[in-house]
Amino acid sequence: EVQLVESGGGLVQPGGSLRLSCATSGFTFSDYWMAWVRQAPGRGLEWVANTKPDGSGKYYVDSVKGRFTISRDNARNSLYLQMNSLRAEDTAVYFCAKGSLDPGVDYWGQGALVTVSS
Amino acid sequence: DVVMTQAPLSSPVTLGQPASISCRSSQSLVHSNGNTYLSWLQQRPGQPPRLLIYKVSNRFSGVPDRFSGSGAGADFTLKISRVEAEDVGVYSCMQTTHFPHTFGQGTKLEIK
Repeated sequence: EVQLVESGGGLVQPGGSLRLSCATSGFTFSDYWMAWVRQAPGRGLEWVANTKPDGSGKYYVDSVKGRFTISRDNARNSLYLQMNSLRAEDTAVYFCAKGSLDPGVDYWGQGALVTVSS
Repeated sequence: DVVMTQAPLSSPVTLGQPASISCRSSQSLVHSNGNTYLSWLQQRPGQPPRLLIYKVSNRFSGVPDRFSGSGAGADFTLKISRVEAEDVGVYSCMQTTHFPHTFGQGTKLEIK
């Protein structure tokens, strides 16, 4: 059974940093793209970033470029999102998602809430 | 960025009746490899998204056959043949043909 479990969310002040983690199991992590997707309160889904299976390619939505960094540790079957210079508009539930064999995602974690507020 | 527009944004449906949601993209979703990467997601209240349909019309593992997807190019539809109580939630289309990947605003399905 595929499982994705996010951790590391919380309350942070504007300009602060936070690191999200996603522990995975039930599939060969190093074979798949992985992604972070967020959902602001009461809003729709927004793609944040994704990374190739070997971590060599990383892609970001414009609004987080230069502030967020996606990374992975294939030995630990884990995905990360380092978030710096956080803004109020980054407040959202952040989902970790497993890439499918085609472009896209097929499994989602439960999400981690990040609140940016003073 | 590719803009995904769903209609309606809210859909009250009677149990046992069909439901249909439209999703239109601002440009064609046909990839250079000939495939069309349009998916449908379901999000029940308080739950993460769940993949229902991928590549326009393929049902994901465990998805009931009352869900079906159709369409081509930039015009797509999700249909539920007979709505059940467990289908309540928000349905979103998602394109993964072009970077950045983008989502529709979501359609809230509720029971009349």
